[in-house]
Amino acid sequence: GQQVKQSSPSLTVQEGGISILNCDYENDMFDYFAWYKKYPDNSPTLLISVRSNVDKREDGRLTVFLNKSGKHFSLHITASQPEDTAVYLCAAGEGGGSAKLIFGEGTKLTVSS
Amino acid sequence: NAGVIQTPRHKVTGKGQEATLWCEPISGHSAVFWYRQTIVQGLEFLTYFRNQAPIDDSGMPKERFSAQMPNQSHSTLKIQSTQPQDSAVYLCASSPGLGGLSQNTLYFGAGTRLSVL
Repeated sequence: GQQVKQSSPSLTVQEGGISILNCDYENDMFDYFAWYKKYPDNSPTLLISVRSNVDKREDGRLTVFLNKSGKHFSLHITASQPEDTAVYLCAAGEGGGSAKLIFGEGTKLTVSS
Repeated sequence: NAGVIQTPRHKVTGKGQEATLWCEPISGHSAVFWYRQTIVQGLEFLTYFRNQAPIDDSGMPKERFSAQMPNQSHSTLKIQSTQPQDSAVYLCASSPGLGGLSQNTLYFGAGTRLSVL
C-alpha cells in the first residue's frame, strides 16, 4: 500500500495567496519529513525538512506543520508566486539507521497571476 | 561540484535486451539510492547503499533487477530481459550522511529515461 499519500493531485492558488499542500502517512516509525520541489523535466530538490521532535519549522515563505498523532504533515507557502508553480513531493523516512525516503505521488501547484 | 551524474540520459532497448544504468554520486557522500519514476506510480524506492554496502533492496523487483556499487564513485542498476513495463525514468540520488537533518537530504541526478520497445 501507499505509505505516504498526497490526496490532491493538483492545486491552483492566486498570486499572493497561501498555498497549502497536504501529506498523510501510515508508518508510525517515520520520524523525518520533507518536501521536495520538481520542475518539469528536472529532478526533485529539497525545499524543507523536519524531524519529529518539532511540530513546526519555518524557512522564509515556507512552513512545515507536523501532526504526528494524525499522521499528517503539510507545507504552507505564503505570498505564492508564479515561480512557485511546480510539482511538490512529500517524503518521509524512519531516520536512525535507515536513510530511505518514501515519496508521495506529488501535487501539481499552479500559481496564477 | 558536478552533482550526481547519470548516464546515459536516454536509453532505448528492445524487449528482452539488457539495460545497464550508471550513476556517479557526489564525492564524499556515503549513501546512494535508486528510484524509479512513472506517471502511474510516482517516485518508487528501489534500493540503497551506504559506504558501498547494500542496505535495503526492498523496492527492487525480485527478478531481472540488480544493483551494485563496486567503488565509492559509481553504482550501476542492471535490468535483464527488459519488458515494456520497465519503461520509466530511473533516478539516482546520493546523501551526505553527516547526521542531523542533512543525513536524509537526497541530491538527485537528472535521471535515465529508459524506453523498452
